[in-house]
Amino acid sequence: ETGVTQTPRHLVMGMTNKKSLKCEQHLGHNAMYWYKQSAKKPLELMFVYNFKEQTENNSVPSRFSPECPNSSHLFLHLHTLQPEDSALYLCASSPQQGTGNTIYFGEGSWLTVV
Amino acid sequence: AQTVTQSQPEMSVQEAETVTLSCTYDTSESDYYLFWYKQPPSRQMILVIRQEAYKQQNATENRFSVNFQKAAKSFSLKISDSQLGDAAMYFCAYRRGSNFGNEKLTFGTGTRLTIIP
Repeated sequence: ETGVTQTPRHLVMGMTNKKSLKCEQHLGHNAMYWYKQSAKKPLELMFVYNFKEQTENNSVPSRFSPECPNSSHLFLHLHTLQPEDSALYLCASSPQQGTGNTIYFGEGSWLTVV
Repeated sequence: AQTVTQSQPEMSVQEAETVTLSCTYDTSESDYYLFWYKQPPSRQMILVIRQEAYKQQNATENRFSVNFQKAAKSFSLKISDSQLGDAAMYFCAYRRGSNFGNEKLTFGTGTRLTIIP
C-alpha cells in the first residue's frame, strides 16, 4: 500500500466506448501524473498536474482526456481508443517539496481495447 | 533531453548471491535525482533506492546499494544476498532537481531479474 489507489485495476473496452480511469492519493501530495507502460517500451509520461493545474501534456492524443478536480484525485477519460492504446496506465503523485522529490506510484490499471 | 539507458534486458542470479544492474544516463543538468524502482508481477512500481546527485556518498538501503559515478554518468544497483522476492523488473529513472515537486521521471527500458533457487 503506497497511498496511491487506482480503479479499475482491469478494463476491457471497445473502440467506441467511453470509460474513465480513476486515481486517488492519500499522501497529501500536490502533483499527480499519468504514465503509460506498453510492452518493451520505457514508461511514457502522459500528463502532469500541479495543484490541480495541468503543467505538462506530452503530446498525448485527444482521445485521452485528463481531469484533476482536486489535488487528491486524477481521472483519465477515454473515448474512441485504438487497440494500440492497450497498456498499463500508472498513476503517480509527489509532494510539492521535500522527501527527495520521490514519486509514488499506484498499482496501475490494465486497459485492453478490443 | 535527458535519456536513461539500461543495457541489460535480462539478468539472473543464484539465490543468496550478489548481482549488479547497470544504468547510464545523459544530462546537462548538475542538480538531479536518480532512482531505482522495482516492478514485481503485481505491476506496482516500488521505490528501491534514491540518490541525490550532489551527494558523493553512495546510497544504501539494507541489501540494496548503488555505485554512483557522476563523471561517468553511471548509476548501478547492487543487490546482495539475493532473495526470491527480488525477482522483478528493475527500472532506473532520472529526475531533474528543482524547488518544485512536479518534475517528471525519465525511465530506462528496464532489466528483468530472475532469481534461481
